[in-house]
Amino acid sequence: AQKVTQAQTEISVVEKEDVTLDCVYETRDTTYYLFWYKQPPSGELVFLIRRNSFDEQNEISGRYSWNFQKSTSSFNFTITASQVVDSAVYFCALSPTSGTYKYIFGTGTRLKVLA
Amino acid sequence: DTAVSQTPKYLVTQMGNDKSIKCEQNLGHDTMYWYKQDSKKFLKIMFSYNNKELIINETVPNRFSPKSPDKAHLNLHINSLELGDSAVYFCASSLNMGGEQYFGPGTRLTVT
Repeated sequence: AQKVTQAQTEISVVEKEDVTLDCVYETRDTTYYLFWYKQPPSGELVFLIRRNSFDEQNEISGRYSWNFQKSTSSFNFTITASQVVDSAVYFCALSPTSGTYKYIFGTGTRLKVLA
Repeated sequence: DTAVSQTPKYLVTQMGNDKSIKCEQNLGHDTMYWYKQDSKKFLKIMFSYNNKELIINETVPNRFSPKSPDKAHLNLHINSLELGDSAVYFCASSLNMGGEQYFGPGTRLTVT
């Protein structure tokens, strides 16, 4: 069975602080994809990143960085120097790379960045 | 240009009615999806189609019926609406199965 756990339901930080959103997953598949999506207050869901399970290299995109560790089944997301516009619900998701490719989303972490 | 569009954006209706939500993508993607997001923001997949073929059909009531007339469209018809159907319904598409998904703006359905 597959499972994605985002234990932090809500995080509040002050602008310019760094913040890490945790994502822990469970899967029996040997290959899989991991994703992060952002849902700002306006409601749309925006794709941020996809990572293949065979690629453990960390990724950086501007103020965003992702740390994938297969040994701990974690795919954490860090925002450096947070800004008010980062306020959103962030979802981690998992998909196998075969069969139905069924996505499993975590329950989301609501990030509030205070000015 | 809107990549994934849904109509209507808001839908308020009474219990027992039948309603449809339409979804169109102009990205040339092969795979389309319907998700339900409840009031606690929990996202659950309902259906997925790949090249008009039903791939995922989650345990949703059979009052929900998807229809994909072509690769660019995936509509959702709901019969005999119930209070518990109130939610935001998102359509999404991806280039192929397992790819990153691009979501529509959502349809907020309220059943009274």
